[in-house]
Amino acid sequence: KQEVTQIPAALSVPEGENLVLNCSFTDSAIYNLQWFRQDPGKGLTSLLLIQSSQREQTSGRLNASLDKSSGRSTLYIAASQPGDSATYLCAALRNDYKLSFGAGTTVTVRA
Amino acid sequence: SQTIHQWPATLVQPVGSPLSLECTVEGTSNPNLYWYRQAAGRGLQLLFYSVGIGQISSEVPQNLSASRPQDRQFILSSKKLLLSDSGFYLCAWSVPKWSSGGIRTDTQYFGPGTRLTVL
Repeated sequence: KQEVTQIPAALSVPEGENLVLNCSFTDSAIYNLQWFRQDPGKGLTSLLLIQSSQREQTSGRLNASLDKSSGRSTLYIAASQPGDSATYLCAALRNDYKLSFGAGTTVTVRA
Repeated sequence: SQTIHQWPATLVQPVGSPLSLECTVEGTSNPNLYWYRQAAGRGLQLLFYSVGIGQISSEVPQNLSASRPQDRQFILSSKKLLLSDSGFYLCAWSVPKWSSGGIRTDTQYFGPGTRLTVL
C-alpha cells in the first residue's frame, strides 16, 4: 500500500525567503509525482507533474525534484510572496492509476 | 476549455437523513471521474472512481454510494448519513494521457468542493 508523508505539516516564513516542502512515499513503483495547491475551503489546483523518468520539473518560481530510489520529492518555491500562502499537497500516481495523497503542508508567508 | 461544477457548496444535514451531491464536467468527453473526501489534517481519501457510464468502483466500504447516469455527471449519495460522514467532498476528472515513452502523464482537475456537516 502506498503511503505518502509530508513534513512539516505547517511552515511560516517571511516574504522573500525560499520555501522547501518535502514529500516521501513508500512504494517507488509510481508513474508520476504531482504537486497541488489548495486554498482554504477550495478545490485543488495542479502545479507540477514529474514523470517517473524525470528528475525535476520547473514552472516559474516553482521547481520540483523527484528521487524515486529514495522515495522522495521536494517542491522549491523561490522568493516567496504572501500570495503563496496555501496548503501544498503531493500525490503519487500508483500502478493502478490512482493517486495517493499526502496530508499537505500549510504554508504562511508573512509580509 | 473544461470546467467542473459541484453543488451544493455547503450542506448541513441531520444524522439519518439522505444525501445527494452532484458533480458535472463540461468541455470533455468520456472523462474518468473521482469522488474524494478530505478530513481535517488528513490527505484526500479516494471514495469512488468511474471510467464510464454506469461503471463505478469503490475504494473504501462505507455508508456512501456513487452513480454515473450520464457521461459527465457523477453523483454521490447516502440513504442515511452518519456523523462520521462529515467532511469536505471533492469531485475530480481526468483523461488518460501517455508520454512517448508510455508513461502516464495526465493529472486530475478538481471541483470547488462541498463542505458537509452532519449534526
